[in-house]
Amino acid sequence: ETGVTQTPRHLVMGMTNKKSLKCEQHLGHNAMYWYKQSAKKPLELMFVYSLEERVENNSVPSRFSPECPNSSHLFLHLHTLQPEDSALYLCASSQSLASSYEQYFGPGTRLTVT
Amino acid sequence: AQTVTQSQPEMSVQEAETVTLSCTYDTSENNYYLFWYKQPPSRQMILVIRQEAYKQQNATENRFSVNFQKAAKSFSLKISDSQLGDTAMYFCAFMKHATPDKLIFGTGTRLQVFP
Repeated sequence: ETGVTQTPRHLVMGMTNKKSLKCEQHLGHNAMYWYKQSAKKPLELMFVYSLEERVENNSVPSRFSPECPNSSHLFLHLHTLQPEDSALYLCASSQSLASSYEQYFGPGTRLTVT
Repeated sequence: AQTVTQSQPEMSVQEAETVTLSCTYDTSENNYYLFWYKQPPSRQMILVIRQEAYKQQNATENRFSVNFQKAAKSFSLKISDSQLGDTAMYFCAFMKHATPDKLIFGTGTRLQVFP
């Protein structure tokens, strides 16, 4: 296990539900990332936070809402998702944005939207 | 825009043998990083090896080594003395140097190591 944890590991939700994914890093890092991993597609960067400020938002639909209350925690709030949003959601962290070439990943949350 | 291509969706190798995973990329940048990440069935993505484009010497990490051909934009991963624990998805990734930027991943190669 690395120093990045994610909960829950599995989540099934209906299209009208609201849920949140949580990521916590115990590495003292200052940058955190959300990725979406779909089958047979490259990992897609969704959001980047540095020192709790969002620095990247790759045209992600507004039904995904990130929150970074402090440098150790990152949330992804989900509401009115679509079945095509079913995927593995990975969180990662790095010492800083400048060292984003070395990211540490969490185990992911497998999300199924029904 | 940068792209990363992994043309081998699946590969298999027998334990103790050597296997090479292919990766090509497209970029107009001169300074960048290349990576190989491993994602075992437990899904924790782990950095296996990193190569800086300005370094001509191929990176090595124990049983893992790369063949970096900058002109050909090729970055293959060689795993020597394969072990059962090497069974995983392997992702090749690219990042521009200097400015913080995003990792561009390939679609991955699923490697199965057989006893």
